[in-house]
Amino acid sequence: RKEVEQDPGPFNVPEGATVAFNCTYSNSASQSFFWYRQDCRKEPKLLMSVYSSGNEDGRFTAQLNRASQYISLLIRDSKLSDSATYLCVVNKNDMRFGAGTRLTVKP
Amino acid sequence: ETGVTQSPTHLIKTRGQQVTLRCSSQSGHNTVSWYQQALGQGPQFIFQYYREEENGRGNFPPRFSGLQFPNYSSELNVNALELDDSALYLCASSVAGSSYEQYFGPGTRLTVT
Repeated sequence: RKEVEQDPGPFNVPEGATVAFNCTYSNSASQSFFWYRQDCRKEPKLLMSVYSSGNEDGRFTAQLNRASQYISLLIRDSKLSDSATYLCVVNKNDMRFGAGTRLTVKP
Repeated sequence: ETGVTQSPTHLIKTRGQQVTLRCSSQSGHNTVSWYQQALGQGPQFIFQYYREEENGRGNFPPRFSGLQFPNYSSELNVNALELDDSALYLCASSVAGSSYEQYFGPGTRLTVT
């Protein structure tokens, strides 16, 4: 079993749609959690940290369920510029990345 | 931009050769982590350096080694290159003891032929 598993995707959605990504992790001792986005042939960029209480940043909402070892990312009112690969990241002593979920937002 | 820089941008080597990749961390960051990202995969943790010492290592063989310098910049060295070493190599800097948010450089794309 992979340490961090994500929806395989790809997700193809129209502009304005709401899309949700899911992620599960295997190490219950994990301490911190993040979502990164990665554009084609570019480096990953931090999108947001994920807290147990849930957190929101504009159109983006992240949730963490420690009991279920589950992380989610919700994107509302999706834009063309949201097209990217979204990486779920879990940290205990080092950062473990999921394989990523590709999102394409179409006009 | 994050302020993390890497060099070179691209590199082509032949099997069996050795390569050194370089990374300058963001100002104020004292920790550098290195990752290997194969096509279609997420980044895989190679190792981390904190205060010039290795501070954790992923599942990579000893021919992957590194250094961190007093100014917190870092090098990744790979000996006896194999075809499977072809990948994007990313470094990320962070402040140790923080929430471990890491900021990535643009990467070095290594091709082994």
